[in-house]
Amino acid sequence: EVLLVESGGGLVQPGGSLRLSCAASGFTFKSFEMNWVRQAPGKGLEWVSWISNSGYSKFYADSVKGRFTISRDNAKNSLFLQMNSLRAEDTAVYFCAGLYSGNYPRFDSWGRGTLVTVSS
Amino acid sequence: DIQMTQSPSSVSASVGDRVTLTCRASQDVTTSLAWYQHKPGKAPKLLIYGAFRLQSGVPSRFSASGSGTDFTLTISSLQPEDFATYYCQQASSFPLTFGGGTKVEIK
Repeated sequence: EVLLVESGGGLVQPGGSLRLSCAASGFTFKSFEMNWVRQAPGKGLEWVSWISNSGYSKFYADSVKGRFTISRDNAKNSLFLQMNSLRAEDTAVYFCAGLYSGNYPRFDSWGRGTLVTVSS
Repeated sequence: DIQMTQSPSSVSASVGDRVTLTCRASQDVTTSLAWYQHKPGKAPKLLIYGAFRLQSGVPSRFSASGSGTDFTLTISSLQPEDFATYYCQQASSFPLTFGGGTKVEIK
């Protein structure tokens, strides 16, 4: 069974930092491109960042570019999101999602999310 | 960036109803379009990929169509477990973008 479990969320002050983790199991992690997707309170889903299966290529949403860094450790089946200079508008549930990147790309595996609250 | 627009933003329906949701892309995404179901506190669930291909394990009451810029998701006979928010998402180019969602509520 494919399992993605996020951790590391919590309450942080504006301007602060937080590192999210996603532990993967049940599939060959190193073969899959991975993403972070978030959902702010009362809002829809927003894609945040993508990383290639090797970890060498990365993309970010404009809203987090320069502040967030995605990374992965294929030896430990783990995905990370380092979040710096956090703002109130970064408050959201953050989901880890696996992207099947064949002929018809889609997020075919998701975690249940971890809540990040940015507030003083 | 490709903007995804879903309509309606919410719909009230009864068990057994046929419900059709729409999604429009601001640019041609060919068939690089997926649909997800999301319930509060749960992981989003992939329903449809490649615009009309049913994900394994998803009930056949879900169907979808479209290509280019206009897409639809249809639930042929709404079941109690289908009350949720539905999102379309384009995978044609970065940044990957979702529609704003359609909330299917109990009438």
